[in-house]
Amino acid sequence: DSGVTQTPKHLITATGQRVTLRCSPRSGDLSVYWYQQSLDQGLQFLIQYYNGEERAKGNILERFSAQQFPDLHSELNLSSLELGDSALYFCASSVGDPRSTGELFFGEGSRLTVL
Amino acid sequence: GQQVMQIPQYQHVQEGEDFTTYCNSSTTLSNIQWYKQRPGGHPVFLIQLVKSGEVKKQKRLTFQFGEAKKNSSLHITATQTTDVGTYFCAGPLWGSSNTGKLIFGQGTTLQVKP
Repeated sequence: DSGVTQTPKHLITATGQRVTLRCSPRSGDLSVYWYQQSLDQGLQFLIQYYNGEERAKGNILERFSAQQFPDLHSELNLSSLELGDSALYFCASSVGDPRSTGELFFGEGSRLTVL
Repeated sequence: GQQVMQIPQYQHVQEGEDFTTYCNSSTTLSNIQWYKQRPGGHPVFLIQLVKSGEVKKQKRLTFQFGEAKKNSSLHITATQTTDVGTYFCAGPLWGSSNTGKLIFGQGTTLQVKP
């Protein structure tokens, strides 16, 4: 158990819909990262937050948005969903600030299926 | 942009054989990390290498960081069925805000035949 909690574990929805994925980092971790993993694909970096502020952006679509709340949990919002958005979405947290790139602790992921 | 490439993409070995995966970056890395993802699981941190030419061992696993800090390798001696999974290397990409986002390679999926 990494200490990172993601909900929901599984989500099935239709094209055009909007979903919210939630992540609670490990106690004490200030950095939260979101990654997308499609079938047989690597981990695509989406976005990173540190202590409530966005610090780095990757290949995140404009239909996607995220935020980190004062209690440090984070949400990833996916809207106008398309079939190609079906993937495993991982949240990870780390103890240090973004300049240290220390070990990431991953949650178990949220598997999104768009029909 | 910066890329982190891994080869091979897949490797099938007989139990007891050795296995190596290679990671190459288009730019010099300040450090490199390795993760393992079991089938149906999430990535789990294995190790971080920081120094040029660094070699670290964890039981049957040997990790190397190249002299130029642009490549790395993971070698598993005498594979076991418990080694099955996908091995990822990851390196930081530093942006203008001095924020290091961790970029992962595509991973090498290891299958071990008993």
